[in-house]
Amino acid sequence: GAGVSQTPSNKVTEKGKYVELRCDPISGHTALYWYRQSLGQGPEFLIYFQGTGAADDSGLPNDRFFAVRPEGSVSTLKIQRTERGDSAVYLCASSILAGGSYEQYFGPGTRLTVT
Amino acid sequence: SQQGEEDPQALSIQEGENATMNCSYKTSINNLQWYRQNSGRGLVHLILIRSNEREKHSGRLRVTLDTSKKSSSLLITASRAADTASYFCATDESGTYKYIFGTGTRLKVLA
Repeated sequence: GAGVSQTPSNKVTEKGKYVELRCDPISGHTALYWYRQSLGQGPEFLIYFQGTGAADDSGLPNDRFFAVRPEGSVSTLKIQRTERGDSAVYLCASSILAGGSYEQYFGPGTRLTVT
Repeated sequence: SQQGEEDPQALSIQEGENATMNCSYKTSINNLQWYRQNSGRGLVHLILIRSNEREKHSGRLRVTLDTSKKSSSLLITASRAADTASYFCATDESGTYKYIFGTGTRLKVLA
């Protein structure tokens, strides 16, 4: 089946603007993760969902960041009043998290550039 | 959030040689996973080892886990140019499903 998809693949926005990043997980995967990755670093955990609810949002850097997954499938990461420091690749991953299966399947990422 | 540490940060070897990279982490875990990343975009899952396992093999990959030292190693045998990538370990923080990734090892295999 299809893998995890993310749109857009690239997003350039001006400082202060609002952006939405979308993730389509693998069908049937109950868990969905968002990470942020800066150049030369490992993925930094932001938030993960089990079904529709945010099970752990402790990685969101501040209240400008928010994510939703209203129907337990597609998720949107929303960033308000973007800052240049928000520039990074935003990665989404989905997982079954059941039956001893914990591996995550990653999308190709959205490269966000804030000018 | 704090990331795990990996070493070396970068490794350059000749094709056919073995590559070993290490990962240290901070909290108790249920499992540890290794991922590969090409071109700075999506990551690919390689192997998972559970906290009650000490060693696991998958093809040319061998992973060890020492929970007393909070460390793991990934060995790639008979490396190929196509193995050139960044490799990351990920641990579930304190047994939750929140995964913390290491800083990564950049492996370059020279043909």
